[in-house]
Amino acid sequence: SQQGEEDPQALSIQEGENATMNCSYKTSINNLQWYRQNSGRGLVHLILIRSNEREKHSGRLRVTLDTSKKSSSLLITASRAADTASYFCATAGRSNDYKLSFGAGTTVTVRA
Amino acid sequence: DGGITQSPKYLFRKEGQNVTLSCEQNLNHDAMYWYRQDPGQGLRLIYYSQIVNDFQKGDIAEGYSVSREKKESFPLTVTSAQKNPTAFYLCASSAIPGQGGYGYTFGSGTRLTVV
Repeated sequence: SQQGEEDPQALSIQEGENATMNCSYKTSINNLQWYRQNSGRGLVHLILIRSNEREKHSGRLRVTLDTSKKSSSLLITASRAADTASYFCATAGRSNDYKLSFGAGTTVTVRA
Repeated sequence: DGGITQSPKYLFRKEGQNVTLSCEQNLNHDAMYWYRQDPGQGLRLIYYSQIVNDFQKGDIAEGYSVSREKKESFPLTVTSAQKNPTAFYLCASSAIPGQGGYGYTFGSGTRLTVV
């Protein structure tokens, strides 16, 4: 079942601007992950944040997690044309089966 | 380089035909997964395996079958019982928590079309 819901569904920004997308989920999680997918390609793992963490950084990426609101956000700073892609959040539940449930994604277009 | 290889990249299936999608990884990951992606949608889990000779159904297993005879390989068969198989199929693998990384590594996908 798809647990994550991304918002917005699509986002268009100018190169150099920041892009923010949100993810909400329904049940308790062990961790939440963000992935990028370029058109017609596989997904690439970007960042993982555990349920006891509130914020994490990786290069131009900043992820926050609010377990009380069951939500996460992904911020891409100083966007580039190469950041044009779909971004998915995925949640790992508290069971030991290591399955990830993916949302429908946010499509980001960065205009030059 | 370590990674996951999916083949073929494009596959065409006739009505009533079974087809098998290949997935091979050289990352020494214990867990492997098959997801289906339809246009504009997220990924839905078909089957997953945490160990050789064992696998579990995901959310949409009907019409699909898998095997896990080797750690490196997790082929997916789309049977004639799957009435709407046209989709993009993604294979992934991951280490088991406690052994290091937990994020999934994905293959580049197989696009299956019914003709």
